[in-house]
Amino acid sequence: QKEVEQDPGPLSVPEGAIVSLNCTYSNSAFQYFMWYRQYSRKGPELLMYTYSSGNKEDGRFTAQVDKSSKYISLFIRDSQPSDSATYLCAGRGYNKLIFGAGTRLAVHP
Amino acid sequence: AAGVIQSPRHLIKEKRETATLKCYPIPRHDTVYWYQQGPGQDPQFLISFYEKMQSDKGSIPDRFSAQQFSDYHSELNMSSLELGDSALYFCASSRGTSGSYNEQFFGPGTRLTVL
Repeated sequence: QKEVEQDPGPLSVPEGAIVSLNCTYSNSAFQYFMWYRQYSRKGPELLMYTYSSGNKEDGRFTAQVDKSSKYISLFIRDSQPSDSATYLCAGRGYNKLIFGAGTRLAVHP
Repeated sequence: AAGVIQSPRHLIKEKRETATLKCYPIPRHDTVYWYQQGPGQDPQFLISFYEKMQSDKGSIPDRFSAQQFSDYHSELNMSSLELGDSALYFCASSRGTSGSYNEQFFGPGTRLTVL
């Protein structure tokens, strides 16, 4: 079993929709949780990170962590075609990142 | 803003050859991480360095070695290349290894193809 599980999708939504991306994790040692966006053949780009449980909002993006259920979420409001990419969740214990499989998102006009 | 620089961006090698990948971290970042991403897979952690010392080790084959130099750049040396080594190799850097300074910023990657 992978330490971070993520549905690979693909997920296809119309422009303007609210997107919900989710991951579960099994390693209780994780303290930080990250969301990265990766365009094809590019390096992962850090979107947000949260420490422990709670919410964090940055513009159209909101990250949530529920440590009691080991559940990580990323919400994208008013999705745009430029949001089309693969979204990777990751947990961090000591210093290395453990990634989920990534969810491919397509936002169509 | 300055980003992580990786070179070369593309590399083609034959089986059993050797390859060296280079990573130049963001200025004032003292920690470097190496990840390998196979086709359609998530990045897998290989190794990391903090202040020129190895700080963590993941699923890095014995055929691979890495080091961080006094100017904080890092090199990943890969010997006896195998077809399965074909992947994107990412370097990431951060300032420190704990707390709120652990944001890891990734470079554009080196695409290695082994023929």
